[in-house]
Amino acid sequence: DAGVIQSPRHEVTEMGQEVTLRCKPISGHDYLFWYRQTMMRGLELLIYFNNNVPIDDSGMPEDRFSAKMPNASFSTLKIQPSEPRDSAVYFCASSSSLGSYNSPLHFGNGTRLTVT
Amino acid sequence: KNQVEQSPQSLIILEGKNCTLQCNYTVSPFSNLRWYKQDTGRGPVSLTIMTFSENTKSNGRYTATLDADTKQSSLHITASQLSDSASYICVVGGAGNNRKLIWGLGTSLAVNP
Repeated sequence: DAGVIQSPRHEVTEMGQEVTLRCKPISGHDYLFWYRQTMMRGLELLIYFNNNVPIDDSGMPEDRFSAKMPNASFSTLKIQPSEPRDSAVYFCASSSSLGSYNSPLHFGNGTRLTVT
Repeated sequence: KNQVEQSPQSLIILEGKNCTLQCNYTVSPFSNLRWYKQDTGRGPVSLTIMTFSENTKSNGRYTATLDADTKQSSLHITASQLSDSASYICVVGGAGNNRKLIWGLGTSLAVNP
């Protein structure tokens, strides 16, 4: 299996621009998670999906952030408009249907976002 | 408040030496505790998962211990290798109405030749 695939690996954009991050989870995994990682706060859960349905989006920082999962093999995280404080590494992760809290998360290699 | 604290924040050891990383948590009710390894520029990779009824679990040269009474866990690395240089993150899963994963900030380990 190719693992969780994220694109792009790096994104540099100017404040106010729209940013779209993409994720392809591991085939057969029912749960998909979006995380943000910074030095100060570590990994923070933004939102997670179960069977393509958003379950908990309480970690999404503002209305500028939105996430979709149109099918089992694709998800996007969009920031519009972007701000410098959004600069971070964004990770997508997936896990199997055994239960998101008792099975390991499989992470992609992240998208490093820089907003100038 | 649900918290996971790790120590030390960073550690430097020589290749071949052993080391132990610590994790203290206040998550309640508790379901499971995980250790992840994160190489620079990569996503975290699962090393071990322990439920509240387990007190030790090994994965090669990595051994995790759990004391659910004192809410402490440790990750012991034996005969360290250069490839062990990474960040090690402790993650605690809550139970019941507290079913979230609480992530520590990690311990940065550097193994020098």
